[in-house]
Amino acid sequence: DGGITQSPKYLFRKEGQNVTLSCEQNLNHDAMYWYRQDPGQGLRLIYYSQIVNDFQKGDIAEGYSVSREKKESFPLTVTSAQKNPTAFYLCASRRTGEGETQYFGPGTRLLVL
Amino acid sequence: EDQVTQSPEALRLQEGESSSLNCSYTVSGLRGLFWYRQDPGKGPEFLFTLYSAGEEKEKERLKATLTKKESFLHITAPKPEDSATYLCAVQAGGGADGLTFGKGTHLIIQP
Repeated sequence: DGGITQSPKYLFRKEGQNVTLSCEQNLNHDAMYWYRQDPGQGLRLIYYSQIVNDFQKGDIAEGYSVSREKKESFPLTVTSAQKNPTAFYLCASRRTGEGETQYFGPGTRLLVL
Repeated sequence: EDQVTQSPEALRLQEGESSSLNCSYTVSGLRGLFWYRQDPGKGPEFLFTLYSAGEEKEKERLKATLTKKESFLHITAPKPEDSATYLCAVQAGGGADGLTFGKGTHLIIQP
């Protein structure tokens, strides 16, 4: 089955620690995105990538980093500089040239110990 | 700045009681308006994409419509399994390639 997978489902971070969230897609989509969801707020864009080896900051990129070495993979690192990392993180992808629809993965919930 | 406002924040209906959810938007050049359904602890599930005013799309008990300033998600004769949070988002022309989301409408259908 084609789709987007995110792992782990739950992730615990200790203060001062960097953690990496995985996002993989087998839809052959060119563009990939990371969003953050907090209670009572809309999803907010962290980073996005339209092609391999290229990515751009979204609205709330501070304290996060990404890489795009393969078309299928777009990992997100939450660094120690992100002071309020507790949130639900969602990865999405889109096939460019065929409309704008983004499809989402199941999400990773990050909690701080 | 692109903005999306959804109303109401929460809506409780009886099974079979039809209603509409509203999504008002301001965007510089609309490339698309999207409706998603999200269940607790899950990722958003795609429902509809609308591209231009006057466009309508239907799926089972759901129908989405679009004007130049707002979109409606009409729910006809809902069932308890339609209970979820419904998210509206817009894609603007030019600039960053991401979606701007509203805060969602939490819909509860009581049997």
